[in-house]
Amino acid sequence: DVKVTQSSRYLVKRTGEKVFLECVQDMDHENMFWYRQDPGLGLRLIYFSYDVKMKEKGDIPEGYSVSREKKERFSLILESASTNQTSMYLCASSLVTDTQYFGPGTRLTVL
Amino acid sequence: SQQGEEDPQALSIQEGENATMNCSYKTSINNLQWYRQNSGRGLVHLILIRSNEREKHSGRLRVTLDTSKKSSSLLITASRAADTASYFCATDAVTGGFKTIFGAGTRLFVKA
Repeated sequence: DVKVTQSSRYLVKRTGEKVFLECVQDMDHENMFWYRQDPGLGLRLIYFSYDVKMKEKGDIPEGYSVSREKKERFSLILESASTNQTSMYLCASSLVTDTQYFGPGTRLTVL
Repeated sequence: SQQGEEDPQALSIQEGENATMNCSYKTSINNLQWYRQNSGRGLVHLILIRSNEREKHSGRLRVTLDTSKKSSSLLITASRAADTASYFCATDAVTGGFKTIFGAGTRLFVKA
């Protein structure tokens, strides 16, 4: 069965901290994605990766970076967390450019 | 503005009734998908319809696609309390590369 896991369900950080969100998939998928979800705005794509060490900016990459050193793992990094990055973060993976499989999400609060 | 926009934003029905949600989009697409999200959880893929298809069924779900109107509808028949969730349409634009664009979603409440 398809599985995407995220390192934390809930996370509380302080302004200025460096934050790592980890995502792991066990389906040997090429593509991995990071979204943030805010009320009324739907899902917005932050970054995606179509291969190891490859990354592409999404719609809202500012304030974020990513790392994909291994095929199964895609990390989202907030270099210096700010309060406007308080959000639900969702990771997804896909084999081709259609069905995406999502992790359970990480609800991040930046104080 | 977003590629996919759902309508209505929220819908409340009684158990056993049918629920219809609509999605409109702006550019030509390769396919359109519907996802469900239970409160505080990740999204779960429900159904995918390709641009050359007009209707698709999966259990109690029926999806239609009208590419001339750039719209899709999701019908859930004989709804259950467990169908309470947010429903999102997502489109893969012809020129979108790897990007799938999600709408803001419809919140469905099914009352027992």
